[in-house]
Amino acid sequence: EAGVAQSPRYKIIEKRQSVAFWCNPISGHATLYWYQQILGQGPKLLIQFQNNGVVDDSQLPKDRFSAERLKGVDSTLKIQPAKLEDSAVYLCASSDSVRGGGDTQYFGPGTRLTVL
Amino acid sequence: QKEVEQNSGPLSVPEGAIASLNCTYSDRGSQSFFWYRQYSGKSPELIMSIYSNGDKEDGRFTAQLNKASQYVSLLIRDSQPSDSATYLCAALTGGGNKLTFGTGTQLKVEL
Repeated sequence: EAGVAQSPRYKIIEKRQSVAFWCNPISGHATLYWYQQILGQGPKLLIQFQNNGVVDDSQLPKDRFSAERLKGVDSTLKIQPAKLEDSAVYLCASSDSVRGGGDTQYFGPGTRLTVL
Repeated sequence: QKEVEQNSGPLSVPEGAIASLNCTYSDRGSQSFFWYRQYSGKSPELIMSIYSNGDKEDGRFTAQLNKASQYVSLLIRDSQPSDSATYLCAALTGGGNKLTFGTGTQLKVEL
């Protein structure tokens, strides 16, 4: 069974530029999560989708971050414009729980973003 | 107060010893708890989940939960150098729908 796929693996941009990350969850997984992990900290949930609906986006900085999950499969997370403090690893995870959160979340390899 | 708190370490133990990792949480409504292992430069990997008070054993790993004290721990017996990693404690918060992570404890197992 293929795991969670993410691309790109690394991205370097200058502040005020825009960037997009892509995630393909494990086949059949209804719930998809985007996390931000700053160096030395635990992952912080940015947004949770169940199928193509948003369950929780309370910690998503909506003035600059956006995410979508069209057709309930792949997802894209966008930052526009980027700030220095957005430098982090962006992790995508998926689970097959309809309820979300409670069942095992499988993480992708992450995208390491550096904002200069 | 952070929702899930861990000592950042590093915690150093000799090979073959027992490593004890601790975590406290603030949301009394949390019912489910998880331990993830994260190697440097890699993504988190689930190693244990625990939902009831008491101990849960899986191989060399034992998770312990005390809801009255709002305390979760992970014991690693016969620690190996390959266990050297950051261990993340996580709790389901916000009514059981959101996984909240601690900052992680770095474990170093020395030869």
